[in-house]
Amino acid sequence: ETGVTQSPTHLIKTRGQQVTLRCSSQSGHNTVSWYQQALGQGPQFIFQYYREEENGRGNFPPRFSGLQFPNYSSELNVNALELDDSALYLCASSGDLMGEKLFFGSGTQLSVL
Amino acid sequence: DAKTTQPTSMDCAEGRAANLPCNHSTISGNEYVYWYRQIHSQGPQYIIHGLKNNETNEMASLIITEDRKSSTLILPHATLRDTAVYYCIDYSDQGAQKLVFGQGTRLTINP
Repeated sequence: ETGVTQSPTHLIKTRGQQVTLRCSSQSGHNTVSWYQQALGQGPQFIFQYYREEENGRGNFPPRFSGLQFPNYSSELNVNALELDDSALYLCASSGDLMGEKLFFGSGTQLSVL
Repeated sequence: DAKTTQPTSMDCAEGRAANLPCNHSTISGNEYVYWYRQIHSQGPQYIIHGLKNNETNEMASLIITEDRKSSTLILPHATLRDTAVYYCIDYSDQGAQKLVFGQGTRLTINP
């Protein structure tokens, strides 16, 4: 039990639609990171937020965007969904001075048809 | 792309020590070695990390060679619940890129 919860657990969308995935971090964790995991691959870093500001971004297009709120919740938004966006989306939180000791949620499985 | 190299899969008998190797051929001086594992249908779980000294915690031990080009994660008494994909990662807090996962080692603990 990591204290990080994600919703929904599963989601089906069609190509071109928009999706919002949600994450609730551990209380006191000011950093939230989002990762995309395709089937059979390791997770890939999308971006990280620290105290509501983006603090690093991986090799993902601008249609992937995020928000972090003061109540330790956050969102990942994906516009203009493509078939290749089908993946497990993982949220992870960490506290200050914890380096990359991240606490991951169980993820949202997104299927784009 | 991931900077580390790991075997694709390994097997270990329950109750024995599981030793998972990792090659860090391009690790730089300010990069830490992190290990995570991912049990089926769950998010990755932090195990341990180190810079150049060996480390031990309640989950595992981490042995890093003196030249830091390789490391070994040791699960001293493997149980069936240790069956998972194990990832070793070179991490630096200097850049914007965060944890870079490879494909990991699929460890199967056999009864």
